Amino acid sequence: DAGITQSPRHKVTETGTPVTLRCHQTENHRYMYWYRQDPGHGLRLIHYSYGVKDTDKGEVSDGYSVSRSKTEDFLLTLESATSSQTSVYFCAIKPGEGNTEAFFGQGTRLTVV
Amino acid sequence: GNSVTQMEGPVTLSEEAFLTINCTYTATGYPSLFWYVQYPGEGLQLLLKATKADDKGSNKGFEATYRKETTSFHLEKGSVQVSDSAVYFCALSDHIAGGTSYGKLTFGQGTILTVHP
Repeated sequence: DAGITQSPRHKVTETGTPVTLRCHQTENHRYMYWYRQDPGHGLRLIHYSYGVKDTDKGEVSDGYSVSRSKTEDFLLTLESATSSQTSVYFCAIKPGEGNTEAFFGQGTRLTVV
Repeated sequence: GNSVTQMEGPVTLSEEAFLTINCTYTATGYPSLFWYVQYPGEGLQLLLKATKADDKGSNKGFEATYRKETTSFHLEKGSVQVSDSAVYFCALSDHIAGGTSYGKLTFGQGTILTVHP
């Protein structure tokens, strides 16, 4: 158990509404990530963070924003949800520096109707 | 940019059969390579890793060797079990000499493995 909690685990929302997903870690690791998983695409990086208030865009960042005001929490916000953002969202943390492995949360299944 | 290509699935095997899932990659720096496994309804778990050329990662009977000359990291298991049924992802984390590695992962598309009794 890498001490990662994602909330909510499931959510259905309407097109055009804002949605915030939360990732909480208990280990005070520096690096945190948000990925989305879609059939045929594997996982793709949305945003990542390398410290409090230090964030950057990933491969598929359009329509998403993030915030990290505390080491333990990394929030992903869909400003105005669209059906193309229906997906499973995974948070990950990486202990240590360099190319060490990442550990993943259980995922949030988001459906935009 | 970086990319990972896995063999297309789904792969269906009988119990005790030999498993190979092919993975090739493109990277600009010095990547570390990983295999992750995802059981139904769960997150990804690290299965094995290799951090430099010719390293062999192994875990739970699975093995993969980092082949720089062929840019490959194929996953193998000599005798699969029903409990190995899952989705397998090959991934890389790149590091460019003189640069900062943020540990960002690039994933293949995933291979669904089903093992029948």
